[in-house]
Amino acid sequence: EIVLTQSPATLSLSPGERATLSCRASRSVGRYLAWYQQRPGQAPGLLIYDASNRATGIPARFSGSGSETDFTLTISSLEPEDFAVYYCQQRRNWPLTFGGGTKVEIK
Amino acid sequence: EVQLVESGGDLVQPGGSLRLSCAASGFTFNNYAMSWVRQPPGKGLEWVSTVSSSGTNTYYADSVKGRFTISRDNSNNTLSLQMNSLRAEDTAVYYCAKDRTSVTTYFFDPWGQGTLVTVSS
Repeated sequence: EIVLTQSPATLSLSPGERATLSCRASRSVGRYLAWYQQRPGQAPGLLIYDASNRATGIPARFSGSGSETDFTLTISSLEPEDFAVYYCQQRRNWPLTFGGGTKVEIK
Repeated sequence: EVQLVESGGDLVQPGGSLRLSCAASGFTFNNYAMSWVRQPPGKGLEWVSTVSSSGTNTYYADSVKGRFTISRDNSNNTLSLQMNSLRAEDTAVYYCAKDRTSVTTYFFDPWGQGTLVTVSS
């Protein structure tokens, strides 16, 4: 099983600041990695797929990068609605796995 | 607009059974793989099971293999999850999710709002 480790667990930032979230895989997933956002009380929503492609309707302030074992989700300037939990997910191998999540909270 | 509406969540005793359903609309259901993902209260996401667009191929997490069965009815645009031998650790919100594209990617977009399954005596 490919283990995805997300860091930090919590990121405390102010609106307008830049957020950098990390997802590290226990072995290579190529570029088969996605990022999801989950706001409180809501279902998750797809942000990024194949490491760097924004899903439909996702603002340009969200960007993904990386390959193999190291991936980054960057939010260039935090908006109030961006304070949420973010998960990465790999589809390189069965079972499909998620990271433990990073909570982006208001400082 | 794509809509996924889960139902069937309930309080059930350990060892019991439950069947979840997901009613899909707004897309050509039989073109897309579908999945179940769960989230225990206050915790992260765990993939549970995926079924191919035709229903021929199914995949399960080890934690549910042999106890849960995923299926789909393409004539009624419905996804199901039959859960047997339920355990306390199966307590979670269960989400139904559509594959991102008709060329299966195993990325989930969108997700339903979820249905809560509580396993407790």
